[in-house]
Amino acid sequence: SAVISQKPSRDICQRGTSLTIQCQVDSQVTMMFWYRQQPGQSLTLIATANQGSEATYESGFVIDKFPISRPNLTFSTLTVSNMSPEDSSIYLCSVEDVGQGDSRAQYFGPGTRLLVL
Amino acid sequence: GQNIDQPTEMTATEGAIVQINCTYQTSGFNGLFWYQQHAGEAPTFLSYNVLDGLEEKGRFSSFLSRSKGYSYLLLKELQMKDSASYLCAFRDSNYQLIWGAGTKLIIKP
Repeated sequence: SAVISQKPSRDICQRGTSLTIQCQVDSQVTMMFWYRQQPGQSLTLIATANQGSEATYESGFVIDKFPISRPNLTFSTLTVSNMSPEDSSIYLCSVEDVGQGDSRAQYFGPGTRLLVL
Repeated sequence: GQNIDQPTEMTATEGAIVQINCTYQTSGFNGLFWYQQHAGEAPTFLSYNVLDGLEEKGRFSSFLSRSKGYSYLLLKELQMKDSASYLCAFRDSNYQLIWGAGTKLIIKP
């Protein structure tokens, strides 16, 4: 399965500032996904990032708040803009592993733990 | 609409067997997944079912009944390291994963 790394692993930020999270994969992948997971909650998909096209955002998430870049097939960034304490969460990137046959299971990076004060 | 439901928390004893249930409703279905998530870590893929029946992988098995919108994850010979949250998710007709809230499994000695 793909090996995924994220930076930073954690951060504490002041409200009103922005943070860019990086996701690096050790192989080329078509689709990358960005999720948010609040404490004790399940995963919420923010957007799907395809290389060479605009990211597709889920209901409740907008590009101005969560701009995403996907410059190549192994890398993506998610920016959390104009942060508020409600943005405190774990942010996870994931990729589909086509090596898993029909399942196309998603594999996750280690996550970025964000606390906004 | 779509929804997915699993128990919030379960407790089991080391060495025993536990079954974690997941029910779902959707008009389009393209497979069901189980993931394990230890506290403070990312989810890791455990199993995938797209056809009815039981899939076995070592101590873990997963079952699916599409007609009943029902799946379970069966964990045998429980070990303390199995203490984690277990997430079920189904893939809908848009090939998007719809996630359950997770079941926190507590293993007692």
